[in-house]
Amino acid sequence: GAVVSQHPSWVICKSGTSVKIECRSLDFQATTMFWYRQFPKQSLMLMATSNEGSKATYEQGVEKDKFLINHASLTLSTLTVTSAHPEDSSFYICSARDWVGGPYEQYFGPGTRLTVT
Amino acid sequence: AQSVTQPDIHITVSEGASLELRCNYSYGATPYLFWYVQSPGQGLQLLLKYFSGDTLVQGIKGFEAEFKRSQSSFNLRKPSVHWSDAAEYFCAVGFRDDKIIFGKGTRLHILP
Repeated sequence: GAVVSQHPSWVICKSGTSVKIECRSLDFQATTMFWYRQFPKQSLMLMATSNEGSKATYEQGVEKDKFLINHASLTLSTLTVTSAHPEDSSFYICSARDWVGGPYEQYFGPGTRLTVT
Repeated sequence: AQSVTQPDIHITVSEGASLELRCNYSYGATPYLFWYVQSPGQGLQLLLKYFSGDTLVQGIKGFEAEFKRSQSSFNLRKPSVHWSDAAEYFCAVGFRDDKIIFGKGTRLHILP
């Protein structure tokens, strides 16, 4: 089946630094990738949608200058949290969709736990 | 506005007992509905989906869900739970541009 990986699975960084999270589709080409944020005991909140080769589309309230998304290839999207602060600590999940899939058919990565100290 | 409500934050059932997780949605058009399961260290896995047709949907791992338009509900059921079913379950609705809106989730605990 379609597999999506994320790296790293967890990361700790100091306040003010930047951290990059990778999302890879391992056995299919992902024309679209989605980035979600999940707070403890909360739902997944969609942050942005990225299509290969074009700029990401951010949801309302998401700072595009803080959460930089790059979808440079059909198998890789990256989320960079710039100038991280403790309130950015969260669980970040990506999902990927290929062009042959049915509507809303997304494959989810295992998530990345970010802790900002 | 489109939304998904899962009224139960936690549910505890004994192994072998039946299970029903509740989900209500708010959506103007005919909804695309989903149930996902999230286990630690694993990505969300799709259990089942409803797009149209038969309102009783069969999924993986012995789960089923019933779409009831009159009640705006899409409850998940399993006749006999196993300890391995302990996880977080999310109900979701498809939105425009292929986006998915998730409920807040229900944590399922299994008693031995």
